[in-house]
Amino acid sequence: GAGVSQSPSNKVTEKGKDVELRCDPISGHTALYWYRQSLGQGLEFLIYFQGNSAPDKSGLPSDRFSAERTGGSVSTLTIQRTQQEDSAVYLCASSPDLFNEKLFFGSGTQLSVL
Amino acid sequence: AQTVTQSQPEMSVQEAETVTLSCTYDTSESDYYLFWYKQPPSRQMILVIRQEAYKQQNATENRFSVNFQKAAKSFSLKISDSQLGDAAMYFCAYRSARTSGSRLTFGEGTQLTVNP
Repeated sequence: GAGVSQSPSNKVTEKGKDVELRCDPISGHTALYWYRQSLGQGLEFLIYFQGNSAPDKSGLPSDRFSAERTGGSVSTLTIQRTQQEDSAVYLCASSPDLFNEKLFFGSGTQLSVL
Repeated sequence: AQTVTQSQPEMSVQEAETVTLSCTYDTSESDYYLFWYKQPPSRQMILVIRQEAYKQQNATENRFSVNFQKAAKSFSLKISDSQLGDAAMYFCAYRSARTSGSRLTFGEGTQLTVNP
């Protein structure tokens, strides 16, 4: 695609429910990143994928968070048993490769947990 | 761990004038990259400018330039001839040159308002 696509754009859910956020990176980009942006704060690294290598999950805040990347392309970030503190904008970015510092970001998913 | 600090939560500038956004960082590394990203209301982060730490020359991109002071660990962004389209949240970011993967560490952001 022309850019990084994320869906849904906005998601409202009830506390305790599971949610799935989707990221479709730029075609051919092998590196994919997830960041979280809480209200009034900077971006917090969550996880990155590079090709077929094991992902770096060191930024995931708890075991309720998980992510996968199927076929080296689309990625899904799953949050189980959502809590109110999970409310944030979740941004996905892709890069041509792991050593390219220029990231291309999507427009994010605004998650609101009631 | 590296930290990035932006001490100005909000800034404003008159159209056509110049504004400088501040950023400081803390690291024990000697080789790294620094970035300024712009985030308009669309939420999409856009790379404005980048600086390699090993380069003494300050990076410039059209109306955007940086003042990189390595010893002081300071990396400010200057926007000249400000335009209404420059209004956005601006984030300073750091990336180690040694670690694999572009794990960027971001500051808290500065909201820039451009007044007509």
